[in-house]
Amino acid sequence: GIQVEQSPPDLILQEGANSTLRCNFSDSVNNLQWFHQNPWGQLINLFYIPSGTKQNGRLSATTVATERYSLLYISSSQTTDSGVYFCAALSTSGTYKYIFGTGTRLKVLA
Amino acid sequence: KAGVTQTPRYLIKTRGQQVTLSCSPISGHRSVSWYQQTPGQGLQFLFEYFSETQRNKGNFPGRFSGRQFSNSRSEMNVSTLELGDSALYLCASSPRRDEQFFGPGTRLTVL
Repeated sequence: GIQVEQSPPDLILQEGANSTLRCNFSDSVNNLQWFHQNPWGQLINLFYIPSGTKQNGRLSATTVATERYSLLYISSSQTTDSGVYFCAALSTSGTYKYIFGTGTRLKVLA
Repeated sequence: KAGVTQTPRYLIKTRGQQVTLSCSPISGHRSVSWYQQTPGQGLQFLFEYFSETQRNKGNFPGRFSGRQFSNSRSEMNVSTLELGDSALYLCASSPRRDEQFFGPGTRLTVL
């Protein structure tokens, strides 16, 4: 099945810094999502981005499906951005089964 | 529109017992997926239901089962609980089996 890898595993930033999180997937994907998991465990939808680029405020994402990767950009980071970021990919195999990466744990310091 | 709801939010059980978790999807969503999240294994797919039928299944033992009702609400059941079943169980709904939206999860502790 499809493998999903995220990097870096951990990231510590000062407030106001920018960062790039990467998600690599081993096979063609139909769908790709980015999530932020809050301290209570809920996964918050950030982007649904099978291909192309999207922006939402200080966050943006780009998926290059032909090269099998997606990037999440966080600009002017805030302490509230802290948490774990996951990408999840849905392969083209025909089964509706999202595979999650292992996440990037981000800590933003004041 | 209300989001995905899961009940109960927290649960403590002992080994050997069974447990039933409930998930109500967003109105109009017909696909419900279940995931298990543990520190060691991360987020793993359990199964997906669509129109009351299990369409996909992950690599979990038969002790894990589920069902979906005609109103799209879903339940999952774990029988003969083991310590390793302690986890956050997350439910997600999708309108057309595309983008997923997650509930707040049920945190299960097995003693």
